Amino acid sequence: QKEVEQDPGPLSVPEGAIVSLNCTYSNSAFQYFMWYRQYSRKGPELLMYTYSSGNKEDGRFTAQVDKSSKYISLFIRDSQPSDSATYLCAIRSGATNKLIFGTGTLLAVQP
Amino acid sequence: DTAVSQTPKYLVTQMGNDKSIKCEQNLGHDTMYWYKQDSKKFLKIMFSYNNKELIINETVPNRFSPKSPDKAHLNLHINSLELGDSAVYFCASSQFGQGAFFGQGTRLTVV
Repeated sequence: QKEVEQDPGPLSVPEGAIVSLNCTYSNSAFQYFMWYRQYSRKGPELLMYTYSSGNKEDGRFTAQVDKSSKYISLFIRDSQPSDSATYLCAIRSGATNKLIFGTGTLLAVQP
Repeated sequence: DTAVSQTPKYLVTQMGNDKSIKCEQNLGHDTMYWYKQDSKKFLKIMFSYNNKELIINETVPNRFSPKSPDKAHLNLHINSLELGDSAVYFCASSQFGQGAFFGQGTRLTVV
């Protein structure tokens, strides 16, 4: 079983839709959760960072963590064509600085 | 100002050659990483240094040798390049316990 599982998509939505991206993880020692956005031929860009269960909001983005289910989500409200990218979840245990990434979900927002 | 910069951006070389990729960060972070992203976009950690000390060394062929002359720089030297080494190599940095910031990547093509 992979440490982090993420649906690779692709996911295609119309402009203005709410997007839900999800990851599951296997090890309850993981305590820190991140979402990255990667445009084609660019480096991953840190979008959200959280370490507790619950929701964290930043503009149109909301990160949700459910540690009891080992499930993390990223919601994008009012999606825009400029949101079209690959979204990667990443997790880290408290003991190490090793970031483990999901496989990424390719999102296309259609105008 | 570029936070994490790596050079070169593109590298095309023949099998058997030795090449180096350089990385510098101006964020004052203590920890630096090398990640490899394959053709399926999967990001896998290779090495991590904290204050010039190697703390993560994944199962990477010993043809790959990282070097950190100071905490702002982390270089990657690759000996006897093989076709399977073709990938995008990302440098990243973080403060311990925080999300990582990535460079723009070095696209290595071995022919």
